[in-house]
Parts: sequence; C-alpha cells; structure tokens
Amino acid sequence: NAGVTQTPKFQVLKTGQSMTLQCAQDMNHNSMYWYRQDPGMGLRLIYYSASEGTTDKGEVPNGYNVSRLNKREFSLRLESAAPSQTSVYFCASSEFKNEQFFGPGTRLTVL
Amino acid sequence: AQSVTQLGSHVSVSEGALVLLRCNYSSSVPPYLFWYVQYPNQGLQLLLKYTSAATLVKGINGFEAEFKKSETSFHLTKPSAHMSDAAEYFCALLRSNDYKLSFGAGTTVTVRA
Repeated sequence: NAGVTQTPKFQVLKTGQSMTLQCAQDMNHNSMYWYRQDPGMGLRLIYYSASEGTTDKGEVPNGYNVSRLNKREFSLRLESAAPSQTSVYFCASSEFKNEQFFGPGTRLTVL
Repeated sequence: AQSVTQLGSHVSVSEGALVLLRCNYSSSVPPYLFWYVQYPNQGLQLLLKYTSAATLVKGINGFEAEFKKSETSFHLTKPSAHMSDAAEYFCALLRSNDYKLSFGAGTTVTVRA
C-alpha cells in the first residue's frame, strides 16, 4: 500500500518548456487535489477533482491544466513554464469530508 | 470566509519543554479542523483532526489539540519536545461550502538540545 505517489521528485525546466506531473493513489479515494507550496504561504489549491471525470479550479489555476485519467491518477500539466511556477507541488487524495493524504512532492525549478 | 490563522511563523523550544503552536479559526458553522506535520523534504502527514466530537483530540507522536469555541482556537501542544519534532506544522480547516481545505501559513519548530 504505497498511498499517494508522485513523479518526478525533482525537475528543472527552462522558461517556455512544458511538462506533466504525475500522481497516483491506491486508497480508492474519489477526490484528488493538486497544491503548490511556497515559503510563508502555506499550501494553495491549484486544481481539484471530486470524482473520476470531473475537475475544478482552485485558488491559483492560471498556467496549469489537469487530467483525471481514471480513479487512481490525476496529472498536472504546465504548458509553458514560467519562473513564477518554481515551487514544490503536492498531490493529495481523500474521501468526502475526511482528511487528505499527501504525496512526497515534486520540486520544480523554472529557469 | 472560513479560514485559519497560525500565530507565529517560527517557534524555538528546548528539548523536554512544552511545545505550543497556536491556530485560530474563522467559521460561522462548526468546523472540521486538522493539524498536519511536514518533515524536511517530505509531504504532509496528519497529526490529528477535530470533527465535532470530543473537544480534546489526541494525535500521533504525543501531540494533542483542544477545540475552544469561545476562543475560536485549536492550539496544538506536546508536553515534552523531542529533537524529532523539528518540522513545519500546518493548521487547516475544511470549508463547509465546498469541502476544500484552507491552510494556515505554517509554523516552523526548532528544537534546541
């Protein structure tokens, strides 16, 4: 039982490059989330998926897209990376009104 | 708006001393509240949660938190700090309108030998 897994762990991009962050959970949760963490700002929700086939914007969705591929997988795509997207990205999953379980994070640097 | 505020971005304690991390919430309805811990270069791990049952909630690693409606607070405590408690701690509230979490800015705990 791996919980929530994320790939890659680290990534360096040049401005304008694209990439996809992958997330998978094995807890059969309906809801999945993507957050970014920046110093002094806590975690901010980028996108959210309440169930397979649905996605919704969070607080900071600009510059990102998501895909809920199936119940297990929820990917985050940066189409044209910018230095402001340098951050640590966390994926999480939960059942309705229960605690969220977090992955280990992806540390992204955009030069 | 439903939110939480963590008081103090950094707390330094001596090994064996009391750890007290402060969190105040804003909510017009009974909230669901959580404390998470983040060790260096890791994801967030749930310490404990309040879901309107007992007001004193016990969590993992000797931590506990008390829900005080009159003070709109949910402070986290541990009687005796250990070196392994050095981490960042986040308070979070589950919003009743959309069931998403609002996080505080975090408190970094340093433990002195």
